[in-house]
Amino acid sequence: EVQLLESGGGLVQPGGSLRLSCAASGFTFSNYAMSWVRQAPGKGLEWVASFNGRGVDTFYADSVRGRFTISRDNSKNTLYLQMNSLRAEDTAVYYCAKGGWVDYYDYWGQGTLVSVSS
Amino acid sequence: DIQMTQSPSSLSASVGDRVTITCRASQGIRNSLAWYQQKPGKAPKLLLYAASSLQSGVPSRFSGSGSGTDYTLTISSLQPEDFATYYCQHYYSTPITFGQGTRLEIK
Repeated sequence: EVQLLESGGGLVQPGGSLRLSCAASGFTFSNYAMSWVRQAPGKGLEWVASFNGRGVDTFYADSVRGRFTISRDNSKNTLYLQMNSLRAEDTAVYYCAKGGWVDYYDYWGQGTLVSVSS
Repeated sequence: DIQMTQSPSSLSASVGDRVTITCRASQGIRNSLAWYQQKPGKAPKLLLYAASSLQSGVPSRFSGSGSGTDYTLTISSLQPEDFATYYCQHYYSTPITFGQGTRLEIK
């Protein structure tokens, strides 16, 4: 059974940093591209970033490029999202999803809430 | 970026009704379209991909169709568990984008 479990969310001040993790199981993690998708409170879904399976290609939404960094550790079956220079508009539930930057997402984690506020 | 526009934004229906939700892309996306269902406080769930391919485990009352820029999600006979918000998503090019959502409520 595929499982994705996010962690690392919380309350952070504007300009602060946070690192999210997504622990994957139930599939060969290194074979698949993985992504982060976010959802602001009461709003729709927004793709944030993707990392391909075995290479080093990363892709970012314009809204986070230069501030967020996606990475992965295939030996730990874990996906990460380092978020720096956080803004109020980054407040959202962040979902880890199996799939890439031009892909649909067949599995999602339960989400972790990031709140940016002073 | 390709814009995805869903209609209606909200819909009231009864158990047993047939319901159709429409998604229009700002340019042709060659059937690179997925549909998701999301319930409050839960992650989205993939229903269909490639416009009309049913994801494993999804009931056959869900179906999808369309081509070019216009696509539809149909629920043939609404069940109580189908009341949720539905999103379309294109994956034709980067960045992938989602529709704004259609909230399906009980009449």
